[in-house]
Amino acid sequence: GIQVEQSPPDLILQEGANSTLRCNFSDSVNNLQWFHQNPWGQLINLFYIPSGTKQNGRLSATTVATERYSLLYISSSQTTDSGVYFCAVSSNFGNEKLTFGTGTRLTIIP
Amino acid sequence: DSGVTQTPKHLITATGQRVTLRCSPRSGDLSVYWYQQSLDQGLQFLIQYYNGEERAKGNILERFSAQQFPDLHSELNLSSLELGDSALYFCASSVVGRGPDTQYFGPGTRLTVL
Repeated sequence: GIQVEQSPPDLILQEGANSTLRCNFSDSVNNLQWFHQNPWGQLINLFYIPSGTKQNGRLSATTVATERYSLLYISSSQTTDSGVYFCAVSSNFGNEKLTFGTGTRLTIIP
Repeated sequence: DSGVTQTPKHLITATGQRVTLRCSPRSGDLSVYWYQQSLDQGLQFLIQYYNGEERAKGNILERFSAQQFPDLHSELNLSSLELGDSALYFCASSVVGRGPDTQYFGPGTRLTVL
């Protein structure tokens, strides 16, 4: 099946810093989603982005499908951005299951 | 709030027991997915239903079963529970099951098997 790798595994930043999280995948995808799992365990949708670029406030994402990677940018980090960020993809039409990466744990220090 | 609801939020039970987790999808969504998040396996797909029919199966144990009812809510049944079944179980839903679409996740049910 498709493989999803995320980097870095851990990231510790001061409040106000910017960060870039990366997701590499091993096959062509027709769905790519970024999630934020907060300290209470909730999985929050950030972006549905199988290709192209999207922005939502301080967050933006870019997927270059032909090169099989996606990037999540977080600017002016706040302590509420702390948590684990997951990239998840699906690769087969007719089977929409998401395969998740192992996540990037982001810790924002005040 | 994603619009997907799951009950109960927490469940503590003993080995060998059986439990049922319930999920109500977002209004209008026909597809329901179940995922398991454990410390050693990460987030894994278990099973998908589309409009009442099983559509895809992942690494779901034979002790686990699921169904989707005519009102589109879904239940995940876990039986003969083992310590290793302790995990966070998520339900997700999407509008259609015939092609890619955003999956919205519920708050999860945290299962602890003692």
